Amino acid sequence: EADIYQTPRYLVIGTGKKITLECSQTMGHDKMYWYQQDPGMELHLIHYSYGVNSTEKGDLSSESTVSRIRTEHFPLTLESARPSHTSQYLCASSDGLAGGNTGELFFGEGSRLTVL
Amino acid sequence: LAKTTQPISMDSYEGQEVNITCSHNNIATNDYITWYQQFPSQGPRFIIQGYKTKVTNEVASLFIPADRKSSTLSLPRVSLSDTAVYYCLVGDWAGGFKTIFGAGTRLFVKA
Repeated sequence: EADIYQTPRYLVIGTGKKITLECSQTMGHDKMYWYQQDPGMELHLIHYSYGVNSTEKGDLSSESTVSRIRTEHFPLTLESARPSHTSQYLCASSDGLAGGNTGELFFGEGSRLTVL
Repeated sequence: LAKTTQPISMDSYEGQEVNITCSHNNIATNDYITWYQQFPSQGPRFIIQGYKTKVTNEVASLFIPADRKSSTLSLPRVSLSDTAVYYCLVGDWAGGFKTIFGAGTRLFVKA
């Protein structure tokens, strides 16, 4: 059972609001990721982190920002939400291939955001 | 990053064996091949990983030919609950690899 948690699971907010999607993992993984996915569509990498104080933008441009102050915590923030931000946001973590690990990604249950 | 090509969709019937092939012609020496499964409204889940030859676990088998330019995920005796999207990923996770998912293969299992 993967120990990675996302809150809130569902969020409906109005345009212009600031929101933060929380992601925490208790596995001590260095690598963490945020993906965005619309129903029936591809997963798009929007942010990733290799460790504390390390964040990079992914392949899909996003107006969101992330921070990595602690290993276990990787929150995503939208300063001013718009209807175009309506989507599912999936957080994941990985420990890489070192030490015989597979480097597999462990995903949270996702945060479904609806901006009215 | 090695690009992968998979069929967009496949149909099958319960009890059949399903084989999904992924092409990765420019796979690098250090790259591993990993498959994930995703159900609607959930995050992808790791199925199997291999480097060469054949790998088998309780869920699936992965066949990789000697040239490693393709791989085949084999699901034995599928059931309705195997209806999902299956992603083939190729890369080296040892360093700072950022995991990119393609479109995947949408498998629909019918009764």
